[in-house]
Amino acid sequence: GEDVEQSLFLSVREGDSSVINCTYTDSSSTYLYWYKQEPGAGLQLLTYIFSNMDMKQDQRLTVLLNKKDKHLSLRIADTQTGDSAIYFCAESRGTNAGKSTFGDGTTLTVKP
Amino acid sequence: DAGITQSPRHKVTETGTPVTLRCHQTENHRYMYWYRQDPGHGLRLIHYSYGVKDTDKGEVSDGYSVSRSKTEDFLLTLESATSSQTSVYFCAISPGDLSSYEQYFGPGTRLTVT
Repeated sequence: GEDVEQSLFLSVREGDSSVINCTYTDSSSTYLYWYKQEPGAGLQLLTYIFSNMDMKQDQRLTVLLNKKDKHLSLRIADTQTGDSAIYFCAESRGTNAGKSTFGDGTTLTVKP
Repeated sequence: DAGITQSPRHKVTETGTPVTLRCHQTENHRYMYWYRQDPGHGLRLIHYSYGVKDTDKGEVSDGYSVSRSKTEDFLLTLESATSSQTSVYFCAISPGDLSSYEQYFGPGTRLTVT
């Protein structure tokens, strides 16, 4: 079945860039998502990219997609302490985001 | 924030008892979902609904049932709770139109089965 993998932890200094990586196995993935989860809260959709795109930028967030390698990354520029959270990568094969497969999440710690 | 509430927010119950979790939305969105999240894991889809009285199974549906009698409410029932169902349960909604990639999550219900 489909599988989405992420590294579990990332630690950066405030002001540095953070890069969170994700790999997926389903070559028919149509949409790829990044979610943020803060302690005790639900998931918040940060950004998404269609599979026919290579890059998407949204303020401090840059998403890169290498469809050949099935690799997705999320770059956060000028990382702040408020960015500390768990970041989840997810993929879906259709426009129904709810039938996504999620990775296990990357815990980002931002040190002052 | 999208208008999604979950009740209860915390529950402790004993093995073998029935439990019902409620998700309520004020957005009039077509799709509603129930997920569970376990430590160190992403979310896994339990059941989802694509309209009133229209539901389907997700990845981990065994031991769970759902009902949707109104657009705004989606109920998740554990008929006979087991310790393996100790988890945090999240409800989510999405519009069901061209913007279906937008999914909004509720605050979660922490369920402990002793």
